[in-house]
Amino acid sequence: GQNIDQPTEMTATEGAIVQINCTYQTSGFNGLFWYQQHAGEAPTFLSYNVLDGLEEKGRFSSFLSRSKGYSYLLLKELQMKDSASYLCAVKGTGGFKTIFGAGTRLFVKA
Amino acid sequence: DAGVTQSPTHLIKTRGQHVTLRCSPISGHKSVSWYQQVLGQGPQFIFQYYEKEERGRGNFPDRFSARQFPNYSSELNVNALLLGDSALYLCASSRDNLPHQPQHFGDGTRLSIL
Repeated sequence: GQNIDQPTEMTATEGAIVQINCTYQTSGFNGLFWYQQHAGEAPTFLSYNVLDGLEEKGRFSSFLSRSKGYSYLLLKELQMKDSASYLCAVKGTGGFKTIFGAGTRLFVKA
Repeated sequence: DAGVTQSPTHLIKTRGQHVTLRCSPISGHKSVSWYQQVLGQGPQFIFQYYEKEERGRGNFPDRFSARQFPNYSSELNVNALLLGDSALYLCASSRDNLPHQPQHFGDGTRLSIL
């Protein structure tokens, strides 16, 4: 079967660092995406990993280990506006189907 | 440039009715995907269209159908509506069908079934 697991909720403090984990089991793999979704809004693209390793983009970094079926999103210097849901998504074979996890709701407190 | 636009933004229907949701992709984008998102869950893949052909289908019943027009806009049709069809329906576009291309989402249509 196909499955993507993420923690349901996380809480962190403004200015801190938080790591959101994602494990996946999918039929075929053509890359892993992270999206951010604020309440009541559309998801917006954060990062893409297809090769093992770390991709850094400003305050956000994403890591992938294909052999372990594992990824994480690292958010540094947390700001209140980072309070949102973070969705892990895997694109399957042929690039035709993207499977999303249930999302991790991040609460940033002062 | 305009982003992905969806219409209507909200819709209320009763059980047994049918509904048509519309999506206009970003200009130049040829791939459109449809997702269903219920509260507290991630988007569930329904369909993907590329160059006016269906390229992928998720685990949804035949009551769900879609099409893509020559201008790359798309419609999602749902027949014989059930209470469980109440959800946010998201449309997403990407330039082509290449794996690394991110999807750009519209604000969605919130469908309520009474």
